[in-house]
Amino acid sequence: DTGVSQNPRHKITKRGQNVTFRCDPISEHNRLYWYRQTLGQGPEFLTYFQNEAQLEKSRLLSDRFSAERPKGSFSTLEIQRTEQGDSAMYLCASSSTQKTLRYGYTFGSGTRLTVV
Amino acid sequence: DQQVKQNSPSLSVQEGRISILNCDYTNSMFDYFLWYKKYPAEGPTFLISISSIKDKNEDGRFTVFLNKSAKHLSLHIVPSQPGDSAVYFCAASDSGTYKYIFGTGTRLKVLA
Repeated sequence: DTGVSQNPRHKITKRGQNVTFRCDPISEHNRLYWYRQTLGQGPEFLTYFQNEAQLEKSRLLSDRFSAERPKGSFSTLEIQRTEQGDSAMYLCASSSTQKTLRYGYTFGSGTRLTVV
Repeated sequence: DQQVKQNSPSLSVQEGRISILNCDYTNSMFDYFLWYKKYPAEGPTFLISISSIKDKNEDGRFTVFLNKSAKHLSLHIVPSQPGDSAVYFCAASDSGTYKYIFGTGTRLKVLA
């Protein structure tokens, strides 16, 4: 069990550019979540997958955001035409359905995005 | 609307004393609650949970209390240790969604 891996750890991009983040969950976990955290706030839910199906998207996720989880393995989160307000820590987490409620998720270390 | 609230952004406690972190929620459908701990540059890590059928759950130095009528939960750490210094998040879910909503966090500092 190598935990949840997120790449890159840091990303600095110019406003208007597209960025893509990758998350590799714990292999036996069927659920994968994306959250966003800004300074002084708690993690805010963005979207989640059960296997390859995206089951819910937050209203926070504008049309510029898209997430995929092909074949129910790793996931990518893409932000198109980045804006300064997108600067945040993007957290990925995974869990198994049976254990989610009792044990929550396992989080990765996050990708810190800075839009300049 | 903030469904899960942690009204104390920070707390300082002397080593060996009790730390009490509080959390309030508004959604009566929530029936599972977690506490996470977060160190700088790391993702949050699971600490302890409680379901709505209980009012208390203990794990070593950590105890979570749930008051459903007040929609309030608290985390007690006894005795507090300097290594407990971190940001603590409470989170709540209803069992139909498998999705946790997080509070804004409380930064705990345990003074040696």
